[in-house]
Amino acid sequence: AQKVTQAQTEISVVEKEDVTLDCVYETRDTTYYLFWYKQPPSGELVFLIRRNSFDEQNEISGRYSWNFQKSTSSFNFTITASQVVDSAVYFCALSEALESPALGNTPLVFGKGTRLSVIA
Amino acid sequence: DTGVSQDPRHKITKRGQNVTFRCDPISEHNRLYWYRQTLGQGPEFLTYFQNEAQLEKSRLLSDRFSAERPKGSFSTLEIQRTEQGDSAMYLCASKNVVEYTDTQYFGPGTRLTVL
Repeated sequence: AQKVTQAQTEISVVEKEDVTLDCVYETRDTTYYLFWYKQPPSGELVFLIRRNSFDEQNEISGRYSWNFQKSTSSFNFTITASQVVDSAVYFCALSEALESPALGNTPLVFGKGTRLSVIA
Repeated sequence: DTGVSQDPRHKITKRGQNVTFRCDPISEHNRLYWYRQTLGQGPEFLTYFQNEAQLEKSRLLSDRFSAERPKGSFSTLEIQRTEQGDSAMYLCASKNVVEYTDTQYFGPGTRLTVL
């Protein structure tokens, strides 16, 4: 069964600090996909990144970076030099590949989210 | 590409009433999902469609819930005889299934309050 755990319920940092959001996942599939979404106060889930299980390269996008480690089943998200606009709830999610490409993936399984507050 | 839209954005209803929500996916996306999100929780899967076919329903989708996607474009989610426990944000997402390299894009959600 799929499971995503985000152990940090809430994090509060001062602007310009770096912050890491943890995500640990469970799956029995060998082909799966990991995602991070941002949910600002407006409520809409904003896609940030997708990672495939066969690609363990870390990724950097501006102030955002992601550390994918299959050995520890973790997919952590770091924001460098945080800003007030980064304040939101961040969700990690997992999807497994179905039997054929035409079927796509299973529906997303989300963690409970981490609420990040960046204080000016 | 105008993104996923949902209507209404907010709905307040009395217990026992029926409500219907609409989702318009990104054009030409063949897959459409419904999720429910309660306070302090992550979204939970309800059901999804591939074109007009409903392929999977979660055990969360009780008999009072029904979803349709009649022409493979927009979708509706109806809740009959609403209960206070139905109060939640209902999220719609769509994607184009192209092998496995697909990402779900979410709409702004419909927040339901059952009094």
